[in-house]
Amino acid sequence: GQNIDQPTEMTATEGAIVQINCTYQTSGFNGLFWYQQHAGEAPTFLSYNVLDGLEEKGRFSSFLSRSKGYSYLLLKELQMKDSASYLCAAAPGGATNKLIFGTGTLLAVQP
Amino acid sequence: DGGITQSPKYLFRKEGQNVTLSCEQNLNHDAMYWYRQDPGQGLRLIYYSQIVNDFQKGDIAEGYSVSREKKESFPLTVTSAQKNPTAFYLCASSIEGRTGNNEQFFGPGTRLTVL
Repeated sequence: GQNIDQPTEMTATEGAIVQINCTYQTSGFNGLFWYQQHAGEAPTFLSYNVLDGLEEKGRFSSFLSRSKGYSYLLLKELQMKDSASYLCAAAPGGATNKLIFGTGTLLAVQP
Repeated sequence: DGGITQSPKYLFRKEGQNVTLSCEQNLNHDAMYWYRQDPGQGLRLIYYSQIVNDFQKGDIAEGYSVSREKKESFPLTVTSAQKNPTAFYLCASSIEGRTGNNEQFFGPGTRLTVL
């Protein structure tokens, strides 16, 4: 089967660093996405990893290990506006561009 | 501005009525997708279309129907056969439907409440 696992909720303090983990099992693999979603709004693209290693983009970084089926999203210098759900999504590839989404991690940033 | 639009933002219907949710994109994307989002369950794929005049069932297609007569439009009908239709519905699109660029862009969503 195909499965994405990520923690349901996390809490962190403004200015700190937080790491959100995601493990995946898919029939094939054509990359892993992270999206940010504020309550009642559309998910917005944060990062895409298809090769092993760390991709850094400002305060956000994303890591992928294909052999371990593992990714994480690292958020530095947390701000209150970072309070949102973070969705991990794997692309199984094959004949379609469907994505398999995890349940999302709800991050609460406290002052 | 290019993007995906969904209308309306909020929709109320009586139980037993069919309702159609609109999704339009002017990004010239081949593929379009419909997801349902419930609290604590993430995004679940209802239907997807890789190219105009073609569509396939996703993981939870029962009680829903779609059409893809134009590249820009992918309306979703929630029928009376859908047992729990109250949810947040998200439409998305990607440049290609089969291989290559698979990043999905999302519309603002429609929150459907069935009374």
